[in-house]
Amino acid sequence: QQQVKQSPQSLIVQKGGISIINCAYENTAFDYFPWYQQFPGKGPALLIAIRPDVSEKKEGRFTISFNKSAKQFSLHIMDSQPGDSATYFCAAPGGETSGSRLTFGEGTQLTVNP
Amino acid sequence: DTAVSQTPKYLVTQMGNDKSIKCEQNLGHDTMYWYKQDSKKFLKIMFSYNNKELIINETVPNRFSPKSPDKAHLNLHINSLELGDSAVYFCASSQAFGQETQYFGPGTRLLVL
Repeated sequence: QQQVKQSPQSLIVQKGGISIINCAYENTAFDYFPWYQQFPGKGPALLIAIRPDVSEKKEGRFTISFNKSAKQFSLHIMDSQPGDSATYFCAAPGGETSGSRLTFGEGTQLTVNP
Repeated sequence: DTAVSQTPKYLVTQMGNDKSIKCEQNLGHDTMYWYKQDSKKFLKIMFSYNNKELIINETVPNRFSPKSPDKAHLNLHINSLELGDSAVYFCASSQAFGQETQYFGPGTRLLVL
């Protein structure tokens, strides 16, 4: 069974600052690591994902960094904005016995103060 | 057009009642999911169907029964509701099972009194 540990549980950042959320996974035979963003009262939505033939993927202000040997990946939000305030979930595919279904981290509640 | 829709949006009911939540996706996806999100925001998968076939059935009380009449619909029926069933239930779909983007519905907020 895949385990995904996400930290921190909550994060408060000033506008313009950098938000960093970390995730660690156990084992996986698959390479696909997405981050989902959830606003209050809404369903989660895919923010950015990495298939780690590369160690980093950047889309606008959002960057995923992936360290395969350490089994860790992180989300960096540059120039954080109040509109980024949301809950962020990392996810990792299962191990060999549980197939490629996604297991989600416990979520990080990000608050960006104006 | 809403890609993944759920009805109802809110559901308030008494303990012991039976209720259903409906989900429809118009994305032409093969795979659909039910997730439960508790008060701490933890997202836990409950079921997944691929082409109307059940492929994930997590350790969920058998009071919960999913039904997929066709690829575009996945309903969740809950018997004998308990206080601990209060949560937000999300339906999601993906093109195929596994390493694919999952598209979530808006959620159904269930409160059991």
